[in-house]
Amino acid sequence: DAGVIQSPRHEVTEMGQEVTLRCKPISGHNSLFWYRQTMMRGLELLIYFNNNVPIDDSGMPEDRFSAKMPNASFSTLKIQPSEPRDSAVYFCASSQGARMETQYFGPGTRLLVL
Amino acid sequence: KQEVTQIPAALSVPEGENLVLNCSFTDSAIYNLQWFRQDPGKGLTSLLLIQSSQREQTSGRLNASLDKSSGRSTLYIAASQPGDSATYLCAVSPNSGYALNFGKGTSLLVTP
Repeated sequence: DAGVIQSPRHEVTEMGQEVTLRCKPISGHNSLFWYRQTMMRGLELLIYFNNNVPIDDSGMPEDRFSAKMPNASFSTLKIQPSEPRDSAVYFCASSQGARMETQYFGPGTRLLVL
Repeated sequence: KQEVTQIPAALSVPEGENLVLNCSFTDSAIYNLQWFRQDPGKGLTSLLLIQSSQREQTSGRLNASLDKSSGRSTLYIAASQPGDSATYLCAVSPNSGYALNFGKGTSLLVTP
């Protein structure tokens, strides 16, 4: 298995632009997580999907952030409009279960908003 | 709110030394605790997962312990190697909810 796949790996954009991050979870995993990592705050959960349904989005910072999972093999995290403070590494992770099982992380998308 | 603290923030040791990384958490109502490794520019790799009912887990040269009542976990690395150089993160899963709460990590450098 190729593991969790994220694209793009790097994104540089200007403030105000729309940014879309993509994730393909490991086949057979029914839980998907989006995390954000910054030096100041460390790793934080943004949103959790189970069987393609958003279960917990309490970590989504504000209305500028939205996430979708149209099917079991694809998820997107969108920021519109982007701001410099959104600059971070965004990770997608998947697991076979929400809590009992190990989460497998993708390589991350490094986002820089100028 | 669960707070996860890792000490030290950075550690440098010569090759061959045994070492201990520490993790503490404020709320003992956890479901499990995981230790991850993160290499520069890469994602996280799960090393060990300890369920709340367990006291320790071992994998090769790694041993993780859990003392839920005192809110502490340690990751023991035996006979360290330069390839062990990475950031090690501790994360706890709460009894309610799904968000893993991460510490900020310990950056380990093992020198040849």
